[in-house]
Amino acid sequence: DAGVIQSPRHEVTEMGQEVTLRCKPISGHNSLFWYRQTMMRGLELLIYFNNNVPIDDSGMPEDRFSAKMPNASFSTLKIQPSEPRDSAVYFCASSNRPQEETQYFGPGTRLLVL
Amino acid sequence: QKEVEQNSGPLSVPEGAIASLNCTYSDRGSQSFFWYRQYSGKSPELIMFIYSNGDKEDGRFTAQLNKASQYVSLLIRDSQPSDSATYLCAWRYSSASKIIFGSGTRLSIRP
Repeated sequence: DAGVIQSPRHEVTEMGQEVTLRCKPISGHNSLFWYRQTMMRGLELLIYFNNNVPIDDSGMPEDRFSAKMPNASFSTLKIQPSEPRDSAVYFCASSNRPQEETQYFGPGTRLLVL
Repeated sequence: QKEVEQNSGPLSVPEGAIASLNCTYSDRGSQSFFWYRQYSGKSPELIMFIYSNGDKEDGRFTAQLNKASQYVSLLIRDSQPSDSATYLCAWRYSSASKIIFGSGTRLSIRP
């Protein structure tokens, strides 16, 4: 399997622009997670889906962030409008819960908002 | 806020020695505990998970859980330079809940 696929790998944008991050989970996995990692705040869970349904979005910072999972093989995380404080590495991870404990992380998207 | 606390390090250990990483957590009801390794510029990867009090061994790695004292540890025996990374501990309250990550401990194995 190719593992979790994320795109783009790097994104540089200007404040106020819309940013869309994409994720393709491992085939057959039923859970998908979006994380954000910064030096100051560490690794934070933003939202997770189970069987394409959002289960917990309490980590989404504010209304500027939204996430969708239209089908089992694709998810997006959108930031609109983006702000410099959104600069971080965004990871997508997937797992096959409850059978497996392991969350498999994608390579991440490094976002820089100028 | 239910939290996990880790010493951020860096922790420097000579090659071949035992590296000991510790983590405390705040919720006595926590059920599952995890150790992730993250190399610089890479994504986290799961090393071990532990549910029960006591030790769990996997190769050079041993996870130790003490629920009464609310801490979980990771021991790395015969440390290698390739073990140099940031180690994140994490916990989960139940099988249906999300995983909470600590801030990580940077480990450096010196030759």
